[in-house]
Amino acid sequence: GQQLNQSPQSMFIQEGEDVSMNCTSSSIFNTWLWYKQDPGEGPVLLIALYKAGELTSNGRLTAQFGITRKDSFLNISASIPSDVGIYFCAGHYNTDKLIFGTGTRLQVFP
Amino acid sequence: DGGITQSPKYLFRKEGQNVTLSCEQNLNHDAMYWYRQDPGQGLRLIYYSQIVNDFQKGDIAEGYSVSREKKESFPLTVTSAQKNPTAFYLCASSRSPEETQYFGPGTRLLVL
Repeated sequence: GQQLNQSPQSMFIQEGEDVSMNCTSSSIFNTWLWYKQDPGEGPVLLIALYKAGELTSNGRLTAQFGITRKDSFLNISASIPSDVGIYFCAGHYNTDKLIFGTGTRLQVFP
Repeated sequence: DGGITQSPKYLFRKEGQNVTLSCEQNLNHDAMYWYRQDPGQGLRLIYYSQIVNDFQKGDIAEGYSVSREKKESFPLTVTSAQKNPTAFYLCASSRSPEETQYFGPGTRLLVL
């Protein structure tokens, strides 16, 4: 089936650093979504992207829908301890089903 | 408050028993979904429903069953046929299948 390649798998950074993660696909996607999951909780939507080239911010988070429609990135600026968690990309490509990446686990050290 | 609720938060089951996980939403969403998440892995789709009284199998439907008798409710039954049921189960809903999905808090199932 369709897969999303998400990288990196994990990141260990110091508080205050900027973070960047991305998702790529071999197919064209119609939407890109970024979720954050805290341990033992459900994923929470961070940013939704609907058009190629779209750049959207949500506080310290910025995400872009790639021009080729085959990739997306998420940046977090000036990381803080509560940014710790697993970040998932997801997207719709040619079906009604949402395809998920495997997640990026973020650890922030004070 | 509008949202998605799942109960219970933790569930223990003996081998060979069926167990039903609850999912309710008051967002007036037409579509609902069940996902399974294993440690260190992404989400895999079990079943989804685009409208009341209709549902389709996802990628890993074997050993699971669902019903959608009401718009607000989409219960998932983990049957004894599911060989490896211990996992974190997430329910989600969306206004339509093409729109953004919102997740419940999850139910952790442990088979003893």
